Amino acid sequence: GQNIDQPTEMTATEGAIVQINCTYQTSGFNGLFWYQQHAGEAPTFLSYNVLDGLEEKGRFSSFLSRSKGYSYLLLKELQMKDSASYLCAALDSNYQLIWGAGTKLIIKP
Amino acid sequence: IAGITQAPTSQILAAGRRMTLRCTQDMRHNAMYWYRQDLGLGLRLIHYSNTAGTTGKGEVPDGYSVSRANTDDFPLTLASAVPSQTSVYFCASSETGAEETQYFGPGTRLLVL
Repeated sequence: GQNIDQPTEMTATEGAIVQINCTYQTSGFNGLFWYQQHAGEAPTFLSYNVLDGLEEKGRFSSFLSRSKGYSYLLLKELQMKDSASYLCAALDSNYQLIWGAGTKLIIKP
Repeated sequence: IAGITQAPTSQILAAGRRMTLRCTQDMRHNAMYWYRQDLGLGLRLIHYSNTAGTTGKGEVPDGYSVSRANTDDFPLTLASAVPSQTSVYFCASSETGAEETQYFGPGTRLLVL
């Protein structure tokens, strides 16, 4: 079966760095997405990786290892507004997205 | 403002009733999607449409139907609602397919009693 695993909840301190991990098992693989979802709101796009390596976009970076079925989202200089759920989603061989349940990130002052 | 709108914002529905959730986008995107989101579970794809006039089944299509008469609109119909269809429903769109960024509507919160 197809599966995405990510931690249910993480806590971090304002100004610090946090890494949210995601492992995936899919029938084929055509890329990995990260979305941010604030409570009560719609998901919004953060990043897309299809090749191995690190992609940096401001305070957020995303890493992919296709051989390990592994990705992480790195958030630097955490701000209170980064409190949200972070959704990992893998694109399978049929070009359908398989979504993880999301990681709820709590930022403490 | 360009984007996706959904209606209603929320609804309480008696079991057995028929309900249509509306979704409209003004970005001229070809692909549209309907998801449900339940606590502790990832987004699950109900139905999708790669272009006007075509639709496909997602992971959890039973009890739901869709139509895509034009590019902008993608309504989702619950023929006879059941309590297990209580959920938050998100409509999304992308330019041509799932390999691209999906843009989500604000969601419809549905409670079936």
